[in-house]
Amino acid sequence: NAGVTQTPKFQVLKTGQSMTLQCAQDMNHNSMYWYRQDPGMGLRLIYYSASEGTTDKGEVPNGYNVSRLNKREFSLRLESAAPSQTSVYFCASSEAHYEQYFGPGTRLTVT
Amino acid sequence: GENVEQHPSTLSVQEGDSAVIKCTYSDSASNYFPWYKQELGKRPQLIIDIRSNVGEKKDQRIAVTLNKTAKHFSLHITETQPEDSAVYFCAASVGGGNKLTFGTGTQLKVEL
Repeated sequence: NAGVTQTPKFQVLKTGQSMTLQCAQDMNHNSMYWYRQDPGMGLRLIYYSASEGTTDKGEVPNGYNVSRLNKREFSLRLESAAPSQTSVYFCASSEAHYEQYFGPGTRLTVT
Repeated sequence: GENVEQHPSTLSVQEGDSAVIKCTYSDSASNYFPWYKQELGKRPQLIIDIRSNVGEKKDQRIAVTLNKTAKHFSLHITETQPEDSAVYFCAASVGGGNKLTFGTGTQLKVEL
């Protein structure tokens, strides 16, 4: 089992460019999450999907959109990147009320 | 919404000493409290968790205590080793749901 995988590992964007971060899990989990991690601020939830076909905003959703493509895949899109979106992005998955498993992260820099 | 505060932000101990990290939460409906360890450049990984129907849980050198009345929970690491050096995050469930709110992290350094 690969667990949770994310692509790309690193990305540099110019202000205004768009991109999609991909996430997939092979643990048959219903719930999936996108977090951003900034120095001194812990992990903050961007969007959450309780099950295939449902998505919900987290703590910091502005500037992002998500798609739960199927049970395995949950993508995060930045339509018009801003320097404030420079961060490390983690995808995670879980079964209901249990441990969240994290992917390896995507380090994004917006110049 | 849920608010989780974590202290201290940095902690330095001598090898073999104990380390304690404390968190408080605001949502009385929270019922799941995991702790994650994150090594430099790596993903967060669960090290121990506790549910609201239990006051204490132990796994070898790691223990977690929960005081529901006071809304605080703590991580205890005994006999610390250099490989315990990492950032530790506490988290609390948002109500009884699957979402978690994380603390801001504690950088633990175990010195030889």
